Order: sequence, then structure tokens, then C-alpha cells
Amino acid sequence: DVKVTQSSRYLVKRTGEKVFLECVQDMDHENMFWYRQDPGLGLRLIYFSYDVKMKEKGDIPEGYSVSREKKERFSLILESASTNQTSMYLCASSLLGDGRGTQYFGPGTRLTVL
Amino acid sequence: GQQLNQSPQSMFIQEGEDVSMNCTSSSIFNTWLWYKQEPGEGPVLLIALYKAGELTSNGRLTAQFGITRKDSFLNISASIPSDVGIYFCAGRPGRIEGAGNNRKLIWGLGTSLAVNP
Repeated sequence: DVKVTQSSRYLVKRTGEKVFLECVQDMDHENMFWYRQDPGLGLRLIYFSYDVKMKEKGDIPEGYSVSREKKERFSLILESASTNQTSMYLCASSLLGDGRGTQYFGPGTRLTVL
Repeated sequence: GQQLNQSPQSMFIQEGEDVSMNCTSSSIFNTWLWYKQEPGEGPVLLIALYKAGELTSNGRLTAQFGITRKDSFLNISASIPSDVGIYFCAGRPGRIEGAGNNRKLIWGLGTSLAVNP
């Protein structure tokens, strides 16, 4: 079974703090994704990566950056957290060779910015 | 970004009832996926569909890939309390522009299901 883990289930930070959200997958997947989920807005793609050190912007990249130094790990960085970044953050991965694009998700990190 | 039209937005049903939800798109898709998300958890894949007209079951769940490739539906038969959650459809477009975009999925906004025991 594919396993995607996220470093924290719940996180509380203060406005202006630098925040790191970590995601690790154990299935040697090439593609990794960061989404945020807000009520009524569904899943919105922030960034994705299809190889080590490669990244592409999703639909809402503003205020975020990412890092992929190792294939299994994809980090989401909030350089200066703001209250409008309070949300549920979901990490996912998929296999490049899977032309169907099936993504597997971690349990999510619920971030609150005060 | 592009989104799928998923309906209904929410459902409140009695235990034992059947449930039907669907997703539509203005463009064709090569893959349709149905996920379920329980409170406080990440989405979990329920059913994957890869060919137009395909009908696939997973226990009490049945999903179909529309023949036009622009829609899909999910049915749940004889609902039980543990069916509660948000059901998302997602798809992979048939015509993709941009090198990285063939890795992305397009998502519906979800159908929130509540089951009254």
C-alpha cells in the first residue's frame, strides 16, 4: 500500500512566522503535490513537483514556496504566515508511469495562524 | 483553475437509502476518479475509471465513466452511517497543455453526505 505521511496533524503558528510542512511518501513516486482545502472551495493545488529539485506552480502559489531535495520528501514553506493561510493542507503523490494520474493522499495538516 | 461540476453539493438521507451523485465537465476526460474524505482525514480513493462506458463496483459503490467522456456518476446502495463524509470526483483531461499539466487532476467541489441512522 502507498503510504503518504505528513509531519504534523495539527499546527498552531503566529502571524509572521516561517512555517514548514513536511510530506514523505514511501512508494518511490515521482510526482508530489500540495493542496489546501477550505470549506466550499474543495481542493486547490498550491504547488507540485515531478522530480527532485523540480517544481511547478499550481492554482494558488502566492505566499508559498516548496522544496524537493529528495525524491520521497516534499516540503511546503510559508515564508511569513498570515491568518488567511489558516487551512487544511493535504499532500499527495502519484506515479509518473501511471498515465491515469491516480493520487494518494496523506492525512492532512490542519494549520491555524493566529 | 478549472473545476468539475459536482452535484449535489450536499445530501442528508436515511440509513438504507440509495445515493447518487455526479460530475460533469465541458471537456473530455481520460480518467475519472472518486474519492471519499472522512472528517479530519485525507481523501481515500474509492473507484478509478479509465475507459468511456466503463462501469466499476467496489462493494456497495458503483461508478460509471460516461460515454461522452464528459461525465461520471457514483452510486451508493443501501447507505449506512459509516458512509458519512465528503465524496470528491477528480479527472484527468483528455487534452493537456503544458509539460507538467499531464500530472495534475481536476477536482469537483465535493458532495457532503450525512446519513441518519
